[in-house]
Amino acid sequence: AQSVTQLGSHVSVSEGALVLLRCNYSSSVPPYLFWYVQYPNQGLQLLLKYTTGATLVKGINGFEAEFKKSETSFHLTKPSAHMSDAAEYFCAVSTNTGNQFYFGTGTSLTVIP
Amino acid sequence: DAGVIQSPRHEVTEMGQEVTLRCKPISGHDYLFWYRQTMMRGLELLIYFNNNVPIDDSGMPEDRFSAKMPNASFSTLKIQPSEPRDSAVYFCASSTLAGGPRDTQYFGPGTRLTVL
Repeated sequence: AQSVTQLGSHVSVSEGALVLLRCNYSSSVPPYLFWYVQYPNQGLQLLLKYTTGATLVKGINGFEAEFKKSETSFHLTKPSAHMSDAAEYFCAVSTNTGNQFYFGTGTSLTVIP
Repeated sequence: DAGVIQSPRHEVTEMGQEVTLRCKPISGHDYLFWYRQTMMRGLELLIYFNNNVPIDDSGMPEDRFSAKMPNASFSTLKIQPSEPRDSAVYFCASSTLAGGPRDTQYFGPGTRLTVL
C-alpha cells in the first residue's frame, strides 16, 4: 500500500526566503509522486510530478522537487517566496500498478511581507 | 479546453433534502474521480469511474451517497437525504486512459455544499 506524510500542516516564510515543504512517502513499488497547489476557493492544480527519469523535477511558478529514493522523500522547494505563493500544498503518490492517488493532509503556506 | 466543469459552485440546502452535484470531465479523459474536502478529514476519494463504469466506491461514506456516470461527458454525485455533516467542498477530477488513475488528475473548481 502507498501513503504520504506531509510534515508540518502550517509553514510560514518571509517574502524572498526559501520555501521548503516536506513530503515523505511509503511505497513497496516505484512511486509516481506529485505536488498540487490549491489557492483559496479553487480546485487543485498540478505543480509538478515525478514518474521516471531525472530525479530533480521542475514545475510551474519556480517550484522544484527532488525524488530521493534512499530517504523516501519528495520535498518541494522554491528559492524565493512570493506573496502569491500563499496557498495549500498537497503531496500525492501513486504507482504504475496502482489504481488511485493517495494525497497527504496538506501544508498551508503563509508568506509574510 | 475548458477544463473540468462542476455545477453548482455553491449549494445551500436544508437537512433531509436531496442534493445533486454535477461534473463534466475534460473531453477525452477516461477516468473520473469524486473527492470530498473538509477541514477535519482533508481530501478524501469517494469514488472513481473508468469508461463510465464505477471501479472503486469504497470511499463513499454511506448509502445516502450515490454516483453515476451515464456517459463520457457527465457524472453526478447525489446525497439523499442530506445531513449537516455532509457540508464540505466536493471536487471532481479527470485523467486520461494513457496515464490511468495513477497519472495527473485535473481538478474542477469544486462545489461548496452547506447543509443547514
